[in-house]
Amino acid sequence: AQTVTQSQPEMSVQEAETVTLSCTYDTSENNYYLFWYKQPPSRQMILVIRQEAYKQQNATENRFSVNFQKAAKSFSLKISDSQLGDTAMYFCAFMTLNQGGKLIFGQGTELSVKP
Amino acid sequence: NAGVTQTPKFQVLKTGQSMTLQCAQDMNHNSMYWYRQDPGMGLRLIYYSASEGTTDKGEVPNGYNVSRLNKREFSLRLESAAPSQTSVYFCASSEFQGRRTEAFFGQGTRLTVV
Repeated sequence: AQTVTQSQPEMSVQEAETVTLSCTYDTSENNYYLFWYKQPPSRQMILVIRQEAYKQQNATENRFSVNFQKAAKSFSLKISDSQLGDTAMYFCAFMTLNQGGKLIFGQGTELSVKP
Repeated sequence: NAGVTQTPKFQVLKTGQSMTLQCAQDMNHNSMYWYRQDPGMGLRLIYYSASEGTTDKGEVPNGYNVSRLNKREFSLRLESAAPSQTSVYFCASSEFQGRRTEAFFGQGTRLTVV
C-alpha cells in the first residue's frame, strides 16, 4: 500500500524569504504522479504543482519548485519570495497509475507567512 | 464550468440517523473520490471509483457505503451516523491527462453528528 508522510505539522516563514516543505512517500510502483495542493482558510483545494515520476526534471511553477528524489522517495516543495497569501495548509499527494488513479494525501503542513 | 459540486454544504445529524452526500462532476472524468478531513490527519480516502460501475475501499471505509450511479455522480452514504464521523467531507474527480493530470475538488461538506 502507498503511504505519504509530511513530518512538519507547522512551519512559519518571514515574508520574502524561502521555505521548504518536506514530503516522503512509499510505493513499489515506477510510474505515478505527485502533487502539492494548497488549502487556504476558505477550504478550497488548489493545485500548486505536479510532478510526473518518469520525468527526472524537477517541476517549477513561478515561485514554487520541487526537489523530486525518486530513489529516496522524497518530494519537497520550495516556496521562494514568500507572500502573505501563501499562508495555508499544504498537502502532498500521490496518485498511482494503476488501481484506477487512487489518490492519497499526507497529513498536511500548516504554513504561516509573517509580515 | 461548475466542476465538482457537492451537496449539502452543512449538515447536523443525530446519532443513528442516515444520510447521503451527493457529488457530481461535469468534466467527464473517470475517477472519483470521497475523503474526510480531520485536524492533524490530512485528507483520508474513504472510497474511490476508477470508472462507472466500479468502487474500491480506501483508507477508512468502515461505516460508509458508496454508489457510482453513472459517470457523473458518486454518492456517499452513512447508514447509522456516529459522533466519530463528524468531519469535513470532500468529493473529487480526476482523469489521466499527461502533464495536465490533476484532481478537482468540491467545496466540502461540514458534517456534525451529535
